[in-house]
Amino acid sequence: GIQVEQSPPDLILQEGANSTLRCNFSDSVNNLQWFHQNPWGQLINLFYIPSGTKQNGRLSATTVATERYSLLYISSSQTTDSGVYFCAVRYGQNFVFGPGTRLSVLP
Amino acid sequence: KAGVTQTPRYLIKTRGQQVTLSCSPISGHRSVSWYQQTPGQGLQFLFEYFSETQRNKGNFPGRFSGRQFSNSRSEMNVSTLELGDSALYLCASSKEGDQPQHFGDGTRLSIL
Repeated sequence: GIQVEQSPPDLILQEGANSTLRCNFSDSVNNLQWFHQNPWGQLINLFYIPSGTKQNGRLSATTVATERYSLLYISSSQTTDSGVYFCAVRYGQNFVFGPGTRLSVLP
Repeated sequence: KAGVTQTPRYLIKTRGQQVTLSCSPISGHRSVSWYQQTPGQGLQFLFEYFSETQRNKGNFPGRFSGRQFSNSRSEMNVSTLELGDSALYLCASSKEGDQPQHFGDGTRLSIL
């Protein structure tokens, strides 16, 4: 089956800093999504991005499908950005999640 | 537009019992998928339903089953509960399988 890896596993930032989260996948995929899981367990859609670049406010994402990776950029981080960030890929009929990056933004 | 609704939010059961969880998808969404999230295993795919048919199944024992109704609402059933079934169970809906998935708030199941 497909392997989905995320790095770094943990990240601690000071409020206002920028960060880049990475998602690598071992095979071609049909689509890719980024999610933010907040401390209450809610999974929030960030991007549906099988390829190309998208931006939404302070967040942007880039997927290079031919090289099997995706990047999530967070600029001017805020304490409310804390939580776990997951990438997930559609591989055949399965939807496979990476292990996540746990982000802590300190005031 | 209402989001994905899961009920109940919290549930406490004892070993050997069975449980049924419910998921109402976003209006117009025909695909419903279920996931189990535990600290040790992360987010794992359980199964997907589309138009009342199970389209795909993850690597879980037969104690885990589900169904989908004609209005796209879905239920998940776990029989003979074990301590290891304690988890956050998440449901997601999408228009079609390859479209973006939208998640509910989950049901937190605790087995005593």
